[in-house]
Amino acid sequence: DAGITQSPRHKVTETGTPVTLRCHQTENHRYMYWYRQDPGHGLRLIHYSYGVKDTDKGEVSDGYSVSRSKTEDFLLTLESATSSQTSVYFCAIRTSGDYNEQFFGPGTRLTVL
Amino acid sequence: AQSVTQLGSHVSVSEGALVLLRCNYSSSVPPYLFWYVQYPNQGLQLLLKYTSAATLVKGINGFEAEFKKSETSFHLTKPSAHMSDAAEYFCAVSGQAAGNKLTFGGGTRVLVKP
Repeated sequence: DAGITQSPRHKVTETGTPVTLRCHQTENHRYMYWYRQDPGHGLRLIHYSYGVKDTDKGEVSDGYSVSRSKTEDFLLTLESATSSQTSVYFCAIRTSGDYNEQFFGPGTRLTVL
Repeated sequence: AQSVTQLGSHVSVSEGALVLLRCNYSSSVPPYLFWYVQYPNQGLQLLLKYTSAATLVKGINGFEAEFKKSETSFHLTKPSAHMSDAAEYFCAVSGQAAGNKLTFGGGTRVLVKP
């Protein structure tokens, strides 16, 4: 357990509504990541952060934005949710070790109707 | 650029039998390689990692993996499957430079039959 929590754990919303998912860590790690998990695709990187207010896009960033105003919190926002964004979303942190390994939160299951 | 291919999206094994999950990678730089396990309705848990110190890597729960550069493979094995091994397993690759991102394979779901 790397002290990562995600909220909410489950959410059902309607197409066109904004949604924000929160990732919180307790250990002040610099790198944080947002992934989505879909059957057959493994995990795909949406956005990541390498420090407060420092973020960059991953491979599936369209339709998503992120913010990191504090070290411990990394927010993922769907400005206008679509059914294709129905997925399980995982937050991860990279520890300060040398090997780029990441540790994952428990996930948020999002359903867009 | 890097990618990971996991052969077989589903694997069924009998309790007590060998578990073999295949992972092939491509990377333009020397890689770090990882296996993660995901139990139902949970996040991913690190099983083991290859960091160039040794080609045979031992992980938790009796799993091990061997890095074979010539075959660009990092297959995961366990000599004797247990019912508790039923889960989804993901192989991932990263470059060795600090901050390099992980790229995941599509996952292999393991079913253990009694």
